[in-house]
Amino acid sequence: NAGVTQTPKFQVLKTGQSMTLQCAQDMNHNSMYWYRQDPGMGLRLIYYSASEGTTDKGEVPNGYNVSRLNKREFSLRLESAAPSQTSVYFCASSGRGGSYNEQFFGPGTRLTVL
Amino acid sequence: GENVEQHPSTLSVQEGDSAVIKCTYSDSASNYFPWYKQELGKRPQLIIDIRSNVGEKKDQRIAVTLNKTAKHFSLHITETQPEDSAVYFCAAPEGYSSASKIIFGSGTRLSIRP
Repeated sequence: NAGVTQTPKFQVLKTGQSMTLQCAQDMNHNSMYWYRQDPGMGLRLIYYSASEGTTDKGEVPNGYNVSRLNKREFSLRLESAAPSQTSVYFCASSGRGGSYNEQFFGPGTRLTVL
Repeated sequence: GENVEQHPSTLSVQEGDSAVIKCTYSDSASNYFPWYKQELGKRPQLIIDIRSNVGEKKDQRIAVTLNKTAKHFSLHITETQPEDSAVYFCAAPEGYSSASKIIFGSGTRLSIRP
């Protein structure tokens, strides 16, 4: 049982390049989330998916797109990377339905945009 | 939408003393309040949570209290130990559905002095 996995662990991009961050969970969770964490800062929600087939904007969606490929996988795409997107990106998943549940986080992707 | 404020941003306590971190929230419909701990370079992990039908919950040296009338909740750590050094985040959902997004506070960096 791997929990939540993310690839890649590290990435360096040049301004204007694009990339996709991958996330997968094997806990049969309904909801998945993408957060960014800037140095010394809290977790800010980029996008979330309450269930397969749905996605919604979070606090800081500009510059990002997401795809809930199936129940297991939720990807985050940067179409044209900017230095302001330098951050650590965490994917999380929660819930098999019903009341609120713990969010399980992946190990994070450390992204640097030059 | 939900707004979660967390205080203090940094906290230093002597080993063995108690630490208290406080959070306020704005959405009166919120009914689930988790606390996450993030050690340096690691992913956030849930340490305790409370639902709105109780005022206090304890788990060994940690406890959380909730005051729904005042819309604030607090994390209490007693007999602090070096391994308690970390960043702690409170959170609250936006809305009352289990599919609601979770909004995190800005975090408290707790340091335990030997």
